[in-house]
Amino acid sequence: QVQLVQSGSELKKPGASVKVSCKASGYTFTSSALNWVRQAPGQGLEWMAWINTNTGNPTYAQGFTGRFVFSLDTSVTTAYLQISSLKAEDTAVYYCARDPPGGGQGFDYWGQGTLVTVSS
Amino acid sequence: SYELTQPPSVSVSPGQTASITCSGDKLEDKYACWYQQRPGQSPVLVIYKDTKRPSGIPERFSGSNSGNTATLTISGTQAMDEADYYCQSWDSTTVVFGGGTRLTVL
Repeated sequence: QVQLVQSGSELKKPGASVKVSCKASGYTFTSSALNWVRQAPGQGLEWMAWINTNTGNPTYAQGFTGRFVFSLDTSVTTAYLQISSLKAEDTAVYYCARDPPGGGQGFDYWGQGTLVTVSS
Repeated sequence: SYELTQPPSVSVSPGQTASITCSGDKLEDKYACWYQQRPGQSPVLVIYKDTKRPSGIPERFSGSNSGNTATLTISGTQAMDEADYYCQSWDSTTVVFGGGTRLTVL
């Protein structure tokens, strides 16, 4: 069965970095794009980027360039989100989600989410 | 940038029909999807390609997309349907979410 398993919660100080992982299993990793979605406390879903799992090339939403790096390690079927120079406003749950091929399919599988808390 | 607009909240009585709208410029020219998110849980896809239900999603969930508005309809709403609902579409190569609608089953 398809699974996306994310790394555990993180507590970081402002200015630090964090790396969140998303381990995919149960399907051919390179057959579907992976997306990252942010949800701040009490807020809605915010799309951050999608990554082409064949080329590793990401497409970013506005506001998620610079401090945000999206990467892959296809050898371990894992996607990564790294955030540097953390700010309090980065506190959120970060989700990875699979986007199968073909237009309009939607995000059919989601990770359990990783809570990143930025606090001094 | 492309925007999708949802009402912040919708209320419905048990057994009645709930409709949640999602508005965007020429939305009918794009595909719309819908997600259900219960508190503390990851979102779940309930409608894709405007009208299709993933396996395991009850038949009471249906979708439409015409003009500038996509609509999620829940027929015979049950207490377990109380959740936040988000529409989603694509603008060229980027993804857009609506702001979300809290469905309350009174």
